[in-house]
Parts: sequence; structure tokens; C-alpha cells
Amino acid sequence: AQTVTQSQPEMSVQEAETVTLSCTYDTSESDYYLFWYKQPPSRQMILVIRQEAYKQQNATENRFSVNFQKAAKSFSLKISDSQLGDAAMYFCAYRSAGNNDMRFGAGTRLTVKP
Amino acid sequence: SQTIHQWPATLVQPVGSPLSLECTVEGTSNPNLYWYRQAAGRGLQLLFYSVGIGQISSEVPQNLSASRPQDRQFILSSKKLLLSDSGFYLCAWRGGRLSSYEQYFGPGTRLTVT
Repeated sequence: AQTVTQSQPEMSVQEAETVTLSCTYDTSESDYYLFWYKQPPSRQMILVIRQEAYKQQNATENRFSVNFQKAAKSFSLKISDSQLGDAAMYFCAYRSAGNNDMRFGAGTRLTVKP
Repeated sequence: SQTIHQWPATLVQPVGSPLSLECTVEGTSNPNLYWYRQAAGRGLQLLFYSVGIGQISSEVPQNLSASRPQDRQFILSSKKLLLSDSGFYLCAWRGGRLSSYEQYFGPGTRLTVT
């Protein structure tokens, strides 16, 4: 079974600085998708960014970018120019292209210091 | 555009009482639907998913059940609640094609069993 591991339960960053959240996953599949979701205090899950495994280019969405290392099965999220509104729980998620379900990591709580 | 609704937003129920949580999706057809549970400060646990009316896949055996009486309606039920059923319940949808990527989440229901 696929597993997703987030080894950092908590991280903190100074406002306007850059922070990287780590995620590793275990799979024998070659075709899959990876995601980062954000869960602010409202607890609404919000999609931040996604990466298709067949794409070599790292996904980027404004201040959010990923470092996708397929051979290492690593998928880290970089947040640049951190803002107070970035404070939230961040979840890494995996879905095999042939499956209907998605697997989530345990989450990383990000604190942004003013 | 698509929207997903969950109700109630908050629920307090005594042990042994029944449960019914409802999730509906608007603006799409034939979605895949999902129920997750999130314990306090923890990640998401997939409970059930459905690829069509009357089709339910269970991920974790427990005293909860799910039903999909209509294409865009997903219901989570229990005949007798346990204290361990307390948590935050999230419903999510994804496009019916396997090539559809991410899941979109509802606002969630906070359930407290007393």
C-alpha cells in the first residue's frame, strides 16, 4: 500500500522568508499524482499545488513551488515570501493514476512569525 | 462552477445515538465522492468512497456506513455512535474520470460524541 510521510510535525518561518516542507512517499507505481493541501484554522482543505509524476518540470503556483524528485520519491513544498495567511496545516497527498482514493500524510503545522 | 455542501456544520450527540451526515455536490455529474475523518491535530483517514450511485467502497471497518442514494449525494451514517467517533468529518469530490486530478473538499462537520 502507498504511504505518505511528512517528517516535520511543526515548522516556523519569519514573515517574508522562505520555508520548505518535506514529504516522501512509498509506491511501486510509475504513474501517479502528488498534491499539497493547506488547512487553515477554518479547517477548509484548500488545494495548493499538484504535480503529475510524468512531468519532469516542477510545478509552480505564484509563491508556492515544489521540488519533485521521482527517483528519491520526494516531494517538498517551498513557500517564498511567507505571509501571515500562510499559517496553516499542510498536507502532502498521493494518488495513483489507476486508483480512486488519495493517501494523505500526517501534516505539518506551519507558523508564520511577524 | 462546482460547489460542495456539508451539514450540519457542528453536531453534539450522546453515545449510542444514531448519526446522519449529508454531503451534496453541485455543478458536476458522476463525481467520485469521499468521506474522511480527521482526529484532532491529525491527518485524514479515508472512510468510504463511491464511484457511482449505490457503489460504496469501505476503507476501514467500523460502526459507520455510507450510502449514495443520488448521483451527487453522499451520506455517512451510524446506528449507534461511540466516543471514538468524535472528530472532524470531511466530504470531498473528484471528477469521475481517472484522469481528473485533485479532490475538492467541503467545509466539514465537527462531531462531538458525549
